[in-house]
Amino acid sequence: EAGVAQSPRYKIIEKRQSVAFWCNPISGHATLYWYQQILGQGPKLLIQFQNNGVVDDSQLPKDRFSAERLKGVDSTLKIQPAKLEDSAVYLCASSLDTVQTTEAFFGQGTRLTVV
Amino acid sequence: RKEVEQDPGPFNVPEGATVAFNCTYSNSASQSFFWYRQDCRKEPKLLMSVYSSGNEDGRFTAQLNRASQYISLLIRDSKLSDSATYLCVVNKLNQGGKLIFGQGTELSVKP
Repeated sequence: EAGVAQSPRYKIIEKRQSVAFWCNPISGHATLYWYQQILGQGPKLLIQFQNNGVVDDSQLPKDRFSAERLKGVDSTLKIQPAKLEDSAVYLCASSLDTVQTTEAFFGQGTRLTVV
Repeated sequence: RKEVEQDPGPFNVPEGATVAFNCTYSNSASQSFFWYRQDCRKEPKLLMSVYSSGNEDGRFTAQLNRASQYISLLIRDSKLSDSATYLCVVNKLNQGGKLIFGQGTELSVKP
């Protein structure tokens, strides 16, 4: 079974530039999560989708971050404009059904460096 | 106060040692609980779910105390390969299955 796919793996941009990350969840997984993990910290939930609807985006900095999952499958996360403190690993995860509390599977992440 | 708090690390232990990690959560409405493992520069992976009755998987034992809002993970007979960061996770089912991670506790097992 194919896992969660993310791209790119690495990205270096200058502050005030824009960047986009892509995630393709495991086939059939209704729930998709985007997390931000700063070095030395645990993953912080940015946004959660159930199919193509947003379940929670309370910690998404909406002045600069946006995310979409238009067809309920793959998703993109965008930062515009980037700040130095956005340097982190951005992890995408998917799960089959949150009501059944099934396991969340993570992609390898995109390591973003803002200089 | 953070929703999920873990013991600050790192824990440095010799091979064969028993080590315990503690985690507390602030929201009593949290309904399911997990331990994830994250190797250096890798993604988190599920280690085990945590049930009210306690559960064991080989050398790993997880406990949940809902009254105290406390979760623990015990690792017996530590192996070098157990070196990783252990993440405590709560699933807030009443909030659409929101998965909240603790900050992680780093374990280093030495020969």
